[in-house]
Amino acid sequence: SQTIHQWPATLVQPVGSPLSLECTVEGTSNPNLYWYRQAAGRGLQLLFYSVGIGQISSEVPQNLSASRPQDRQFILSSKKLLLSDSGFYLCAWAQGNYGYTFGSGTRLTVV
Amino acid sequence: GIQVEQSPPDLILQEGANSTLRCNFSDSVNNLQWFHQNPWGQLINLFYIPSGTKQNGRLSATTVATERYSLLYISSSQTTDSGVYFCAVGTDYKLSFGAGTTVTVRA
Repeated sequence: SQTIHQWPATLVQPVGSPLSLECTVEGTSNPNLYWYRQAAGRGLQLLFYSVGIGQISSEVPQNLSASRPQDRQFILSSKKLLLSDSGFYLCAWAQGNYGYTFGSGTRLTVV
Repeated sequence: GIQVEQSPPDLILQEGANSTLRCNFSDSVNNLQWFHQNPWGQLINLFYIPSGTKQNGRLSATTVATERYSLLYISSSQTTDSGVYFCAVGTDYKLSFGAGTTVTVRA
């Protein structure tokens, strides 16, 4: 069966520090991968998606970046965090145009 | 981009009651999904339903693609149904999420 792992679960980082969030998927090959952000009490905003290794599409300009170094690994990064980067970050995978499966999320607080 | 409107924004139910959540969208889509986010933040996929009707236990969903809306029905609600219900629509691999309906089921 397919599983998705996302870590860490919570993270507190100072302004200006770097960020690296990792997401891995098991039990499938060539999945579509997604990073979403959810601000407190609000809906989900698509940040990045990838349909293959090295293929990254950005939906919202910001100081975040994403990479897909392996087929089932998706990484969200920042060189210098801003206060506005705080939020709940969710990774998801899908096979083709079908149902999404989300990871358990990372709660990031920038202080 | 596609606009997604969910109603009502908040819903308070007595345990055992039935309810209907609505999702309107602004353009043609080939992907529509309903999700439930529990109080711990975990998002669970309820339905992949770009058209037609599906049922899963006490939950069912109907999408009328030609009229650009979808409905999620909760029957005999339980306290475990509490949380936020999101509708998400899209084309070409990407989904846009609505703002959600917060459901509170009281015992």
